[in-house]
Amino acid sequence: KAGVTQTPRYLIKTRGQQVTLSCSPISGHRSVSWYQQTPGQGLQFLFEYFSETQRNKGNFPGRFSGRQFSNSRSEMNVSTLELGDSALYLCASSNREETQYFGPGTRLLVL
Amino acid sequence: GQSLEQPSEVTAVEGAIVQINCTYQTSGFYGLSWYQQHDGGAPTFLSYNGLDGLEETGRFSSFLSRSDSYGYLLLQELQMKDSASYFCAVMSTGGFKTIFGAGTRLFVKA
Repeated sequence: KAGVTQTPRYLIKTRGQQVTLSCSPISGHRSVSWYQQTPGQGLQFLFEYFSETQRNKGNFPGRFSGRQFSNSRSEMNVSTLELGDSALYLCASSNREETQYFGPGTRLLVL
Repeated sequence: GQSLEQPSEVTAVEGAIVQINCTYQTSGFYGLSWYQQHDGGAPTFLSYNGLDGLEETGRFSSFLSRSDSYGYLLLQELQMKDSASYFCAVMSTGGFKTIFGAGTRLFVKA
């Protein structure tokens, strides 16, 4: 089975811009979670989707949003980018809650 | 709220055994998972403990004590390739949300 894929792998944006990141889960996995990883904060939960519904959300401002499509692919969007949004954004899919399979991540740099 | 605590760094020599501890505070609990992440890579699932006791997977074992809100990951016969960050994680009481510890950086020396 193909693993979780994320696009793009690297991205450079400037403050105030917006960005959309994409995640394709493992075939058959309906749950997709997003995380922000920074050196100082570790892995921070952003949101989780299942069957196109957001089931839980982390403590991030409303500038961070996401959605899931009927084929389980997911996107996350960050509007009005800030310098502090520079991070590795990881997507994980699962068919069992205790086991998550992570994609390679999108490394975002905000200048 | 929910929180997990684990040591920030551990150093050990090749061939040795190392234990990485994790204590958690949560109002509800579904189980403790462990993940490994090499520099520049994505986290990969190592093990899960839903019940008290020891789970063994090759050189890696994981232990859970619900009464002590404590778990650990045990790595035996350490190899240089085990140098990585190790994260413990719990699922939130509301479900569908995984909380990760800050990670333990393991350095394996020759």
